[in-house]
Amino acid sequence: QKEVEQNSGPLSVPEGAIASLNCTYSDRGSQSFFWYRQYSGKSPELIMSIYSNGDKEDGRFTAQLNKASQYVSLLIRDSQPSDSATYLCAVNLGNQFYFGTGTSLTVIP
Amino acid sequence: SQTIHQWPATLVQPVGSPLSLECTVEGTSNPNLYWYRQAAGRGLQLLFYSVGIGQISSEVPQNLSASRPQDRQFILSSKKLLLSDSGFYLCAWSRGTGGYEQYFGPGTRLTVT
Repeated sequence: QKEVEQNSGPLSVPEGAIASLNCTYSDRGSQSFFWYRQYSGKSPELIMSIYSNGDKEDGRFTAQLNKASQYVSLLIRDSQPSDSATYLCAVNLGNQFYFGTGTSLTVIP
Repeated sequence: SQTIHQWPATLVQPVGSPLSLECTVEGTSNPNLYWYRQAAGRGLQLLFYSVGIGQISSEVPQNLSASRPQDRQFILSSKKLLLSDSGFYLCAWSRGTGGYEQYFGPGTRLTVT
């Protein structure tokens, strides 16, 4: 059973703060790791991908991967109300992608 | 650039009616294609995936089927819908095996009444 676990939240942060989202996965063979943002009623949108241990930064987003601990995180700096959404963690193994159930984030103006 | 289309965007169907949802990808060749379902307030459930024309893998036994008649076309079907088939159906593609990123279409919201 390949599992991807996320804290479902809801997570609330004030505007301008750092939002920290966490994800753990069960299969050590997982190859690639992704974060998606999903607004209510819309399809998931890829915002970050990370393939090796360490940090990867893209604008206000930083993804962190620790394969030894089987842990992936997403930091959102200077959070904006437009960041309010559900964030899905996904891992890739072979041809398949395994998703967590998502963390709901609300940024309070 | 690559684009993924799904239609229809919204569908309301009675129990027992057939279903056909279509997904097409532009701007790439031989993509891996996926069908997911997302029930209200729930996570993504992988239904089918395909690595090539006519090659379909089923993840969940149910009254749905999938076909890939062309390289960039993926179809989800049912002969008789159940109430439990209601949900948000998402098609996705990736470049192939090996950790490539996966991209989603806009989705079809299906309500079975």
